[in-house]
Amino acid sequence: AQTVTQSQPEMSVQEAETVTLSCTYDTSESDYYLFWYKQPPSRQMILVIRQEAYKQQNATENRFSVNFQKAAKSFSLKISDSQLGDAAMYFCAYRNPTSGTYKYIFGTGTRLKVLA
Amino acid sequence: DAGITQSPRHKVTETGTPVTLRCHQTENHRYMYWYRQDPGHGLRLIHYSYGVKDTDKGEVSDGYSVSRSKTEDFLLTLESATSSQTSVYFCAIAGTSGYEQYFGPGTRLTVT
Repeated sequence: AQTVTQSQPEMSVQEAETVTLSCTYDTSESDYYLFWYKQPPSRQMILVIRQEAYKQQNATENRFSVNFQKAAKSFSLKISDSQLGDAAMYFCAYRNPTSGTYKYIFGTGTRLKVLA
Repeated sequence: DAGITQSPRHKVTETGTPVTLRCHQTENHRYMYWYRQDPGHGLRLIHYSYGVKDTDKGEVSDGYSVSRSKTEDFLLTLESATSSQTSVYFCAIAGTSGYEQYFGPGTRLTVT
């Protein structure tokens, strides 16, 4: 069974600095999708970034980028120039598009604090 | 933003009472999901639907049932609420060709 692990329950970063959130996953599949979701205090789940496993190029969305290491089954999120609005829970998620069930598996989350 | 609403947004109920949470979407997406979120556990899948009247269990389905009689509505029922079902419940949707899920605003349920 696939699993997603976020080993950092909480992280802190100084405003304007860079922080990296870790995510590892376990799967025997070769084709899958990985996601990072942000959950601010408002509780709304917001998609931050998406990575297709068949793409070697790391996904980037403005200040957010990933380091996707397929062989190591690692999918870390880098936030550059951190802002106070980046403070949130961040969840890593996995989906296997060939499973036919469209199920997603989530990690337990990392709480990011941004210090002014 | 994806058109997903959840009702009610907050509910307090007593142990043993039935509770129904509603998820409504305007996106005509095929797949709908119910999750619960608890500290230290992330999001755990309760049930999901892959079409009208087509549903399946997730990892924490005990004590919950679902129904989907229309594409746009997915109901989650707690037949007899227990204190362990106190949680925040999220509905999510995904399209057939889509990759990511879109989430509703969540429902905070407290069982006393």
